[in-house]
Amino acid sequence: EAGVVQSPRYKIIEKKQPVAFWCNPISGHNTLYWYRQNLGQGPELLIRYENEEAVDDSQLPKDRFSAERLKGVDSTLKIQPAELGDSAVYLCASSPRAGFYEQYFGPGTRLTVT
Amino acid sequence: AQRVTQPEKLLSVFKGAPVELKCNYSYSGSPELFWYVQYSRQRLQLLLRHISRESIKGFTADLNKGETSFHLKKPFAQEEDSAMYYCALSGNGANSKLTFGKGITLSVRP
Repeated sequence: EAGVVQSPRYKIIEKKQPVAFWCNPISGHNTLYWYRQNLGQGPELLIRYENEEAVDDSQLPKDRFSAERLKGVDSTLKIQPAELGDSAVYLCASSPRAGFYEQYFGPGTRLTVT
Repeated sequence: AQRVTQPEKLLSVFKGAPVELKCNYSYSGSPELFWYVQYSRQRLQLLLRHISRESIKGFTADLNKGETSFHLKKPFAQEEDSAMYYCALSGNGANSKLTFGKGITLSVRP
């Protein structure tokens, strides 16, 4: 099994440009998470989906970030417009359901905003 | 609010030496604690969790509610243990989120 798949792996954009990240979770996993990991920090949750419903987006900067999980499978995280401070690694994870289940992480997308 | 503190950024030891990676937490209820590990060029993965009470790759971690700690220990470090280690906490219930510490780099020298 490929595990959680993310693309692209690396992205370099200029500030004020839009960017999108894609995630395909492990088959059968109902819960999907997007995290942001700044340099020298642990991952921080941006949004959590249960199937197609966003059940926790309290940490998502809604003025410029948006996410969707159509049909409860793949998910896309978008930033528009990007700012210098958005440079980070964006991680997607999935688990069978919420609660004390192990989260399986993707390889991440390293975003550099210049 | 839930918080995880990993007070050290780097631990460097020689092969065969004991290892203790510190983790302290703040949570008002009964949390579930995890250790995640990221080896070089690999993705973040679960190492062990308190609820399982297992020893994984020789590592153990004991939850000390009095000291609010969940330190990771291994009696004899191996070179392949070199990695980034993150302590994480999940609160009660299905709506709880996973909060990570800043992580610590373990370097095991030959």
